[in-house]
Amino acid sequence: EAAVTQSPRNKVTVTGGNVTLSCRQTNSHNYMYWYRQDTGHGLRLIHYSYGAGNLQIGDVPDGYKATRTTQEDFFLLLELASPSQTSLYFCASSDRQFSNERLFFGHGTKLSVL
Amino acid sequence: GQQVQQSPASLVLQEGENAELQCNFSTSLNSMQWFYQRPGGSLVSLFYNPSGTKHSGRLTSTTVIKERRSSLHISSSQTTDSGTYLCALATSGGNYKPTFGKGTSLVVHP
Repeated sequence: EAAVTQSPRNKVTVTGGNVTLSCRQTNSHNYMYWYRQDTGHGLRLIHYSYGAGNLQIGDVPDGYKATRTTQEDFFLLLELASPSQTSLYFCASSDRQFSNERLFFGHGTKLSVL
Repeated sequence: GQQVQQSPASLVLQEGENAELQCNFSTSLNSMQWFYQRPGGSLVSLFYNPSGTKHSGRLTSTTVIKERRSSLHISSSQTTDSGTYLCALATSGGNYKPTFGKGTSLVVHP
């Protein structure tokens, strides 16, 4: 089973603060994703990447940056956090190389912006 | 863009009853996956089912591409089935960009 590890599990920051959420996957998947989940909206895609150094814009990218430093590591950056970014954040990975495109998720990061 | 509609939005059952959850989509798909979200928030993959029917214990997933729908059937529901059920799909071609429905919230009473 693919492993996706997110850190931290919980984070509290203040408005205007800087936050970095980390994600590591250990199965050499090519695709990685950052989603946020809010009541009434399901999971919404923020940014994604199909390899080291690549970044693609998702559906709700405003206020977020992301960077894929290696095949394994994908970071989500909030440089001036706002209360509207209080949410549950999920990282996921998938591998399209073998026509099996299952998503594997981390446990999530609960972020509160006060 | 992709449109994913899940129904019903919420469902309340008595233990032992069956449930049918629907996921309808507006474009052709390349992948379909069902997840269970625990009350604490973590996601559990139930099925990866881009077409046809798959079974796992009391759960059955059926995806009919021509009708642009996928269903999740839960038989003999248990209180531990309570939680949120999400479907996710991605269309063929271009970058792989999975889109989620808003989920079905299921409560099973003893």
